[in-house]
Amino acid sequence: NAGVMQNPRHLVRRRGQEARLRCSPMKGHSHVYWYRQLPEEGLKFMVYLQKENIIDESGMPKERFSAEFPKEGPSILRIQQVVRGDSAAYFCASSRLRTGFEGYTFGSGTRLTVV
Amino acid sequence: AQTVTQSQPEMSVQEAETVTLSCTYDTSESDYYLFWYKQPPSRQMILVIRQEAYKQQNATENRFSVNFQKAAKSFSLKISDSQLGDAAMYFCAYCHSNYQLIWGAGTKLIIKP
Repeated sequence: NAGVMQNPRHLVRRRGQEARLRCSPMKGHSHVYWYRQLPEEGLKFMVYLQKENIIDESGMPKERFSAEFPKEGPSILRIQQVVRGDSAAYFCASSRLRTGFEGYTFGSGTRLTVV
Repeated sequence: AQTVTQSQPEMSVQEAETVTLSCTYDTSESDYYLFWYKQPPSRQMILVIRQEAYKQQNATENRFSVNFQKAAKSFSLKISDSQLGDAAMYFCAYCHSNYQLIWGAGTKLIIKP
């Protein structure tokens, strides 16, 4: 009964490179959410996706950031031309239902370090 | 806009004793959900306990229980018989029906052996 799988666990990128973060939701879950955690802070919502659809990207920066959840394969969070301020832990969560009562199952996160 | 406030950046407790972590929130909604998540050094975000706002009864999960005061918009977490494995960051989170989780800044819990 695999949970939410995120990879890589750690990612180091030089300024200007691209970062690709992957998330495979829990089996039976069709709703995926990406959150960002800056040091000493709680998580901040970025984007909510269902298969082949972006439902809400209101928390995602307008430039350089994009997300997808294709029909086959994991959800991808892509950050182009990374800058030092992108350094953070990025968490993916999934849920069976759209409403949050059951709670969300989180992955272990990807720690992105931009050097 | 909804906000979640955790006023205790750090708390410490002696092993086997009881500790209470505070959380307050601000919302104009009447129907919502509240959660406590635990984040150990492994960084995995683990659901500890959840509460539906329309339920008056406080949720409990083994050694973990909440004191939900809807009128005061307070949602504290009580950990009984604290164990070394309880050491972690604890986050309070709010969710309305729009699915977004709004998070507090977290409380670091230290367990003294």
